Amino acid sequence: AQSVAQPEDQVNVAEGNPLTVKCTYSVSGNPYLFWYVQYPNRGLQFLLKYITGDNLVKGSYGFEAEFNKSQTSFHLKKPSALVSDSALYFCAVRDSGNNRLAFGKGNQVVVIP
Amino acid sequence: DAGITQSPRYKITETGRQVTLMCHQTWSHSYMFWYRQDLGHGLRLIYYSAAADITDKGEVPDGYVVSRSKTENFPLTLESATRSQTSVYFCASSQEPDKGQPQHFGDGTRLSIL
Repeated sequence: AQSVAQPEDQVNVAEGNPLTVKCTYSVSGNPYLFWYVQYPNRGLQFLLKYITGDNLVKGSYGFEAEFNKSQTSFHLKKPSALVSDSALYFCAVRDSGNNRLAFGKGNQVVVIP
Repeated sequence: DAGITQSPRYKITETGRQVTLMCHQTWSHSYMFWYRQDLGHGLRLIYYSAAADITDKGEVPDGYVVSRSKTENFPLTLESATRSQTSVYFCASSQEPDKGQPQHFGDGTRLSIL
């Protein structure tokens, strides 16, 4: 069964500094990987995905993520964090053998002005 | 672009009562999903549907019932609510998940069971 680990409950970063949110995954086949962001009292919003191809994926709002097959990781990055990036971030993985997503527990990102 | 809407946004009910959460999408996506979000657990899949009249259990289906008579609607029913079902419920849809299409989420229903 597929699974995702997001090892840090909360990530604090100063505004303007680089932001990294970590994700490792486990699947039996080829992974489809996703990042979502959730703002208070809202649903999850899709940020970016990795299906195949270039290991560096670019997404919405200046975010990008790097797929690393040997380390089974898919870390989310942003070169310069904004206060408005403060939110809950979820990593998700889908095994190529089914149509269900497994979500991590989420990372609260706090960007300090 | 209405997208995916959930109703009600907030609901308070008592243990033992039946409650139905509604989900409606305007994209004609074939797949629809119900999740619950609880602190420390992330999102857990309750039920999903690949098409009208096709539903399947997810990770935590006990105590829930779903139906999908029309492509655009996917209601979730708690037949006899329990306090452990207090949670935030999210509906999502996707057109072709097997081709990597992402899921799109509604804004959730916050359900409190007293």
